[in-house]
Amino acid sequence: QVQLEQSGAEVKKPGASVKVSCKVSGYTLSELPMHWVRQAPGKGLEWMGGFDPEDGETIYAQKFQGKVTMTEDTSTDRAYMELSSLRSEDTAVYYCATASPIVVPSGIYRPPYFNYWGQGTLVTVSS
Amino acid sequence: ERVMTQSPATLSVSPGERATLSCRASQSVSNNLAWYQQKPGQAPRLLIYGAFTRATGVPARFSGSGSGTEFTLTISSLQSEDFAVYYCQQYNNWPRTFGQGTKVEIK
Repeated sequence: QVQLEQSGAEVKKPGASVKVSCKVSGYTLSELPMHWVRQAPGKGLEWMGGFDPEDGETIYAQKFQGKVTMTEDTSTDRAYMELSSLRSEDTAVYYCATASPIVVPSGIYRPPYFNYWGQGTLVTVSS
Repeated sequence: ERVMTQSPATLSVSPGERATLSCRASQSVSNNLAWYQQKPGQAPRLLIYGAFTRATGVPARFSGSGSGTEFTLTISSLQSEDFAVYYCQQYNNWPRTFGQGTKVEIK
């Protein structure tokens, strides 16, 4: 059973940066492909980026390239999402999301859908 | 980028009735499609993956179908706890993309 515990709400001024953390338990972070999804108030889900276990790279949505950095600290099983040059439009709930690995005859399969989500972190950008 | 389009935006259904939600992909995503349910103030919950496989603990009244570009989520007999927003998501290609959501509300 995977548990994802995110850091608390943040209030930032325009132009600042924010770093949201996602603590993994039940598995080690290195076993899980972590993704980040955001949701602006009253709006839908928007995929920001995530780890591709097939080539070992983090892939970002084009919209967020140069603006978001996703990192991992495997010593503490924490994933981080840092968003820079904040604007009011970045006000949203940010979720980390992943799927638990599955043992298959050929090894370990890391599903690309998200059956585990953090509780969400509200980031408010306001002057 | 695969654009996912859901319809309708809002579906008004009476408890006990059947609800049918649609999701269309701009290009084929094979059967690499998931459905999520989201209630107010909560994180999304995985319902369906692989277009038709129910996730652990999901009631049998939820079913998924389709492949390629056309997908359907059917709730056979709506219960009070099913009134929520539903999102489809493709994971066949990068970037992963979500539909804009269908809100299922009480009629």
